[in-house]
Amino acid sequence: DVKVTQSSRYLVKRTGEKVFLECVQDMDHENMFWYRQDPGLGLRLIYFSYDVKMKEKGDIPEGYSVSREKKERFSLILESASTNQTSMYLCASSPYRGADTQYFGPGTRLTVL
Amino acid sequence: TQLLEQSPQFLSIQEGENLTVYCNSSSVFSSLQWYRQEPGEGPVLLVTVVTGGEVKKLKRLTFQFGDARKDSSLHITAAQPGDTGLYLCAGLYNFNKFYFGSGTKLNVKP
Repeated sequence: DVKVTQSSRYLVKRTGEKVFLECVQDMDHENMFWYRQDPGLGLRLIYFSYDVKMKEKGDIPEGYSVSREKKERFSLILESASTNQTSMYLCASSPYRGADTQYFGPGTRLTVL
Repeated sequence: TQLLEQSPQFLSIQEGENLTVYCNSSSVFSSLQWYRQEPGEGPVLLVTVVTGGEVKKLKRLTFQFGDARKDSSLHITAAQPGDTGLYLCAGLYNFNKFYFGSGTKLNVKP
């Protein structure tokens, strides 16, 4: 079974703090994705990566950056957290570019005070 | 404006009733997926449909992909309380990015 793990289930941070969200997958997948999920808006793509050290902007990249130094690990960074970044953050992986299946982690519920 | 419009947003029904959830777009998708998500968890894949007109069945769940690959439906027969959850459709666009519908929150009352 594919396993995608996220470093924290719940996180509370203060406005202006730098926040790191980590995601690890154990199936040697090429692609990794970061989404945020808000009620009534579904999942929105923040960033994705097709390979180590590669990254592409999704639909809402502003205020976020990412890092992929190793194939199995994809980190989402909030340089200076703001209250409008309070959300559920979901990481996903898929085997290769164009694969029609994604596997999700359990999510990180981030609250920015 | 979302690429995939999902309806209804909320559905509350009695055990034993049937229901249909719709996922519509003006864009063509390479494939379409349906996920189910429990509170506090990540989405779990139910099915992927690839061919226009394709119908797939998973026990009491029937999934259909439109002929033009722009829309899909999920039909649940004789819903049970265990079906309660958030149902999400997602389309793979240009073999590149996934776009998600806003979700249907289903509550099945015993």
